Amino acid sequence: AQSVTQLDSHVSVSEGTPVLLRCNYSSSYSPSLFWYVQHPNKGLQLLLKYTSAATLVKGINGFEAEFKKSETSFHLTKPSAHMSDAAEYFCVVSDRGTYKYIFGTGTRLKVLA
Amino acid sequence: DGGITQSPKYLFRKEGQNVTLSCEQNLNHDAMYWYRQDPGQGLRLIYYSQIVNDFQKGDIAEGYSVSREKKESFPLTVTSAQKNPTAFYLCASSIDGQGVSDTQYFGPGTRLTVL
Repeated sequence: AQSVTQLDSHVSVSEGTPVLLRCNYSSSYSPSLFWYVQHPNKGLQLLLKYTSAATLVKGINGFEAEFKKSETSFHLTKPSAHMSDAAEYFCVVSDRGTYKYIFGTGTRLKVLA
Repeated sequence: DGGITQSPKYLFRKEGQNVTLSCEQNLNHDAMYWYRQDPGQGLRLIYYSQIVNDFQKGDIAEGYSVSREKKESFPLTVTSAQKNPTAFYLCASSIDGQGVSDTQYFGPGTRLTVL
């Protein structure tokens, strides 16, 4: 069975410093992986997705993620945090058998001025 | 403007009442989904539909019902049988729901509170 684990429930960074949000997955197949962002009381917005075309995936708002098969990881990074990045971030794996989404429990990012 | 709309944004219900949450999309997507979100948890799938007039139960379907009479609409009814309905409800859609990399796009959500 496929699963996804977000290693940190909360992350705090100072504005202008790098962001790292960690995600590990478990999959018997080559997975499709996604990162979404959710601002308070809003829906989820797609940041980026990995579908085996390239291991380094660039997304919106300066975010990127690197697929590392040997480490079963798909960590989300951004070189310089902005106040508007404060939100909750979800790592998602798409189940190859059912095409359903399997969500991580989320990481809440706090950006300090 | 293409997208997914959900209404109302906030909904209050008395215990024992059924309520229906609206979800409409103009993306011409075949597949639609309903999720429930509780604090500190990821999203959990309630129901999904891959085509008009067909839908399947997700992981937590008990106490909920849906219909899919039109491609663009997928309303969710929270019945009185749902023991703890207070939550944030999110609707999503995808092109066909058949592809492993099929991206889901989400609506803005409805927050349901039981009084």
